[in-house]
Amino acid sequence: DAMVIQNPRYQVTQFGKPVTLSCSQTLNHNVMYWYQQKSSQAPKLLFHYYDKDFNNEADTPDNFQSRRPNTSFCFLDIRSPGLGDAAMYLCATSRVGGGATELFFGEGSRLTVL
Amino acid sequence: AQRVTQPEKLLSVFKGAPVELKCNYSYSGSPELFWYVQYSRQRLQLLLRHISRESIKGFTADLNKGETSFHLKKPFAQEEDSAMYYCALVGGSNYKLTFGKGTLLTVNP
Repeated sequence: DAMVIQNPRYQVTQFGKPVTLSCSQTLNHNVMYWYQQKSSQAPKLLFHYYDKDFNNEADTPDNFQSRRPNTSFCFLDIRSPGLGDAAMYLCATSRVGGGATELFFGEGSRLTVL
Repeated sequence: AQRVTQPEKLLSVFKGAPVELKCNYSYSGSPELFWYVQYSRQRLQLLLRHISRESIKGFTADLNKGETSFHLKKPFAQEEDSAMYYCALVGGSNYKLTFGKGTLLTVNP
């Protein structure tokens, strides 16, 4: 009964070869987030969608893009992965409005760049 | 800018001992504070939030605005409490969650 599902769980790519990570949700939440988490570091917000509105963090590299074709799905595209992009990528959702904001996380996609 | 500091990267206690995981924050307005937990091989999940003023799995956390702290406490630690704990903040009408670096709690038998 997983509510936020990320695929693939593990992704290996070559330096410079584009990668797409996917996230789907069954919660009908209006906000979807992508976080990057490197070893021993805090999850770092890359961007989020509030409904169809895309919000990029100021320090997110241009190499990272995102798409949200509908409420349920959100994709993270890494156009030309570098060695420094190897990390765990976490998708999360929330329903904004009416009380405290709780985020629901997927299990993450671990990206390895060779 | 909003910031969360967890000064302890690792914390090790024995079963039955009290445990306190420290969290300090920086935010000029009125934040929402949370504790998230990640057990081994599981997803990140909400443990508790300051607004609810609740106790979850024996854990409590009190928001101290004067000290800008939100420390997580449990009087008697259990082995199953071993996990990574993240303090997190949402500032005002901003619904983006900012995490601390996390504290890895190990409860020894």
